[in-house]
Order: sequence, then structure tokens, then C-alpha cells
Amino acid sequence: DAGVIQSPRHEVTEMGQEVTLRCKPISGHDYLFWYRQTMMRGLELLIYFNNNVPIDDSGMPEDRFSAKMPNASFSTLKIQPSEPRDSAVYFCASSLRPGLLNTGELFFGEGSRLTVL
Amino acid sequence: AQKITQTQPGMFVQEKEAVTLDCTYDTSDQSYGLFWYKQPSSGEMIFLIYQGSYDEQNATEGRYSLNFQKARKSANLVISASQLGDSAMYFCAPHYKLSFGAGTTVTVRA
Repeated sequence: DAGVIQSPRHEVTEMGQEVTLRCKPISGHDYLFWYRQTMMRGLELLIYFNNNVPIDDSGMPEDRFSAKMPNASFSTLKIQPSEPRDSAVYFCASSLRPGLLNTGELFFGEGSRLTVL
Repeated sequence: AQKITQTQPGMFVQEKEAVTLDCTYDTSDQSYGLFWYKQPSSGEMIFLIYQGSYDEQNATEGRYSLNFQKARKSANLVISASQLGDSAMYFCAPHYKLSFGAGTTVTVRA
């Protein structure tokens, strides 16, 4: 079974450009999470979805960031316009609802490394 | 505010020895779960072990075990018989918060 798939793996762009990061969660998972990792701030939860509906976006840093999940197999994180301080590794993760048969652990994609010049 | 605290930014351990990584958390919930993840230098995040707050036994998974002390709100990870491949960053993550501690970098010396 394929894991969480993220694209692109690496993105280098110039300040002011739009950036779109993509994620395909594991089939059957009903939760999807976007995280950002930097040396200064560690791993930060940006937003998460349950059954394609955004539940908590309080971690989204500002209006330049937006995330969508149009269906159960696809999500995007968009930054417009991008700034150098957005440079980070962005992880997508998915999970099942915790229950008797599973712990609800997160399955992570390999991350998208974004560099904004 | 709910907090996850990993007090050890970095640790060195000799190969084949055991190492304990600290994690304390703060919650008023009675039912919750605690996860540990490993992030090697290649960057991927790998789930290691889970402890439920109502589990009577400390969780174990191969060379990984949890020293879970509910009253003290701590869930320390023990890695036994360390291997060079254990060198990585380790994160504690209470499920109720969906966020992660600052992490502890473990370096295993040959």
C-alpha cells in the first residue's frame, strides 16, 4: 500500500511567487494534517482536516497561506505571495480515527522542502 | 496552555547501551494517547510507539519501551541496545494536542 505522497519534494522559488504543495493521503484515512518544520520553530501544526472538512486552521500563519481538500484523496497547501521566511520543510500526514483497532498514529509523507529566495 | 516538554536537546550514547529520552506533558483529559516518532537525518518521520493513558502495561515495541508515569505526566522513551542507526531526532507527541515537543537529538557512538 502506498504511503502519503507529497509533491514536489523540493521547490525553489522567488519571493512573491505562488507556491502550491500537494498531498495524497493514504486511502481510507479520514484525517489529514499539514505541518511545517523549521530549525527555529520545530514542527508546527498548520491545519488539519477530518473527512475533507477543515477542523482547525489556527496554526496557519497568515492569510497568505490557504489549504484545501476537495476530495478524500487530495489536498493542497498554497502560499501566495511567498516570502523568504516561509522557507521550511512542509509535511503532510494522514491517520485513521483512533479506535479499538488503531492508535491514530500519523503517517507522514517525505516532506516538501521549500526555499524562497 | 497545554505543553509538551522534552528537556534534552541532545544526547550521546554508546553503541549497545540504553538511553532514556524524557517527555512530560500537561493535560486535564482522563483519556489520551502519547506517541513517539523518530526523524533520521534523511528527514522522514517514523512512528515508533504508542501509549494509551488507560493502558495498564508500559508499551513496548522491539527495542523501544515507554516508561509511562501517569501521575507525573511523563512518558519517557527507552531505547535499549542502541545501534548506530538509532542516531536521529526523537519527538514526543500527545495525541490530544496534535503538536510535537521540541525533540531530542540522539547520537550513537561506536
